[in-house]
Amino acid sequence: DVQLVESGGDLVQPGGSLRLSCAVSGFSLNTYSMTWVRQAPGKGLEWVSALSASGDATYFADSVKGRFAVSRDNSRNTLYLQMDSLRAEDTAVYYCTNIVRGYFDSWGQGSLVTVSS
Amino acid sequence: SYVLTQPPSVSVAPGKTATITCGGNIVGSYGVHWYQQKPGQAPVLVIFYDNDRPSKIPERFSGSKSGNTATLTISRVEAGDEADFYCQVWDYNSDHPGVFGTGTKVTVL
Repeated sequence: DVQLVESGGDLVQPGGSLRLSCAVSGFSLNTYSMTWVRQAPGKGLEWVSALSASGDATYFADSVKGRFAVSRDNSRNTLYLQMDSLRAEDTAVYYCTNIVRGYFDSWGQGSLVTVSS
Repeated sequence: SYVLTQPPSVSVAPGKTATITCGGNIVGSYGVHWYQQKPGQAPVLVIFYDNDRPSKIPERFSGSKSGNTATLTISRVEAGDEADFYCQVWDYNSDHPGVFGTGTKVTVL
């Protein structure tokens, strides 16, 4: 069975940093491109970032470009989202999913990031 | 970046048909995918590539597309279908390829 488990969400001050993890089981990370999607409280879904299956291409929404980085550890089968220079508007539940031919197939349960002083 | 426009809300009586549209210039160029999200839960894929349905999704859910508008149709609506629905496109020609629709709240009367 495919399972994705996000962790690392926390309360952080504006300007701070946080790293989210997404532990994957049921498939190898180098099999699929992976993506992060977030949802601010009471708002819609927002695509954030993606990492290609080969691991050599990354993509970011304009709202996070230059502040967020995406990476993976194949030995741990874990995807990461490094978030720096956090802002109040980054407050959201962050989901990781795998990408299958452009659609988001399996989702984790999400990890809550709160940016507040 | 592209915008995918959905109606904010749709209301439907049990047993009737709900239709949700997703419009935008990019819709005609790539496959459109649809997700259902119930309160407190992660989204679930219900339609991919305009009109394909994952095996676990009931046949009551169907999709179509004409020009720059995609449509999700829910037939014989049940109370358990009440949720938020989002369309999504992957723009392979963009360096920020993920695009979601604005979302539609489906209320079962």
